[in-house]
Amino acid sequence: DAGVTQSPTHLIKTRGQQVTLRCSPKSGHDTVSWYQQALGQGPQFIFQYYEEEERQRGNFPDRFSGHQFPNYSSELNVNALLLGDSALYLCASSRAFTEAFFGQGTRLTVV
Amino acid sequence: AQSVAQPEDQVNVAEGNPLTVKCTYSVSGNPYLFWYVQYPNRGLQFLLKYITGDNLVKGSYGFEAEFNKSQTSFHLKKPSALVSDSALYFCAVRVTASGGSYIPTFGRGTSLIVHP
Repeated sequence: DAGVTQSPTHLIKTRGQQVTLRCSPKSGHDTVSWYQQALGQGPQFIFQYYEEEERQRGNFPDRFSGHQFPNYSSELNVNALLLGDSALYLCASSRAFTEAFFGQGTRLTVV
Repeated sequence: AQSVAQPEDQVNVAEGNPLTVKCTYSVSGNPYLFWYVQYPNRGLQFLLKYITGDNLVKGSYGFEAEFNKSQTSFHLKKPSALVSDSALYFCAVRVTASGGSYIPTFGRGTSLIVHP
């Protein structure tokens, strides 16, 4: 079992650009959540996908959007990047009310 | 709204000594409680969880946590610390739900430093 995999591991983008991050959940998991973790902070919930629909959303602007595919994999899209979007983006998968398993994260740097 | 507090930004302990990382929570229902560990530039690794039952929960790598409902606490403990335990530790809480969505809330994290 490969666990939760995220790609890419590192990314550098310029302000104003758009970025897409990808996540493959752990085998058997149907729910994917995305988190933003700024340096020295705990993970902040962005949104959660289940059955290809956004089920819950945290306090993030509409520039952050996502998608879940029929195979449960997911994408996080961020438009009009700001310097403040620089962070570690974490994907977590789970099933029903089990604990979440996290990927290794994507380190996004906006310059 | 649910919240988690980790009152210590950093905990220092000598190798071989017992360690405690503190966590308190606030929820309006029955909590699910979790501890995760994060090594530098890595994702979070699950350590243990409390859902119901015994107040003392045993998890990975010799860690355990004690649920105290009256004090709304869920402190992480280990009888004998290892240098390799040095990492960032996160407590998380989510409310049980009969159906629908559930979102865990994470604390800010506590940096554990174990000195040789």
